[in-house]
Amino acid sequence: AQKITQTQPGMFVQEKEAVTLDCTYDTSDPSYGLFWYKQPSSGEMIFLIYQGSYDQQNATEGRYSLNFQKARKSANLVISASQLGDSAMYFCAMREPDITGTASKLTFGTGTRLQVTL
Amino acid sequence: DVKVTQSSRYLVKRTGEKVFLECVQDMDHENMFWYRQDPGLGLRLIYFSYDVKMKEKGDIPEGYSVSREKKERFSLILESASTNQTSMYLCASGQGGTKETQYFGPGTRLLVL
Repeated sequence: AQKITQTQPGMFVQEKEAVTLDCTYDTSDPSYGLFWYKQPSSGEMIFLIYQGSYDQQNATEGRYSLNFQKARKSANLVISASQLGDSAMYFCAMREPDITGTASKLTFGTGTRLQVTL
Repeated sequence: DVKVTQSSRYLVKRTGEKVFLECVQDMDHENMFWYRQDPGLGLRLIYFSYDVKMKEKGDIPEGYSVSREKKERFSLILESASTNQTSMYLCASGQGGTKETQYFGPGTRLLVL
């Protein structure tokens, strides 16, 4: 079963508008973390925002906010006031505790390609 | 700023060749990771390392090995490259802990002919 699901392969948004990128996840562990990364055409993965499962408030980082709905197991990324430079692939990822207690592994979704238009 | 570098942005190799992909991080991070990225599949973890000389298999380790002789350097080795290993390879590092964030390098696009 997919642990991270991104149902939108592609999205368009006009410049200066807000856009929501969907992400749902599946875990039975009460302790987990959710991440969003941006990947421009250059290929580098850029960390955007983090939400912990015990965090009471939705995470925000500048124009990025995370709409965290725990009961629905969703962690949608909201980008406000879109800019042309926001055109990129966006990946949602989840970290679950590693059973060995060593490093925590990330599981990624398949990504959403966002295109910002004039 | 965290800096993760990878030895090559583009690489072309022939089937059967031994391939080394190098990754270096400058933030003294404990953990390092190798992923491959394929269209429609997202990123999949190949191997990770949580300390020097320590390594663990990820989700798709077959056909790969890794080496971590120094804390800052994590190498991915394709013992005998095959065409199905043509992919984008991404290295990441992280400090560990409950809020660990992984920081990625620019990626290496490998083509195996």
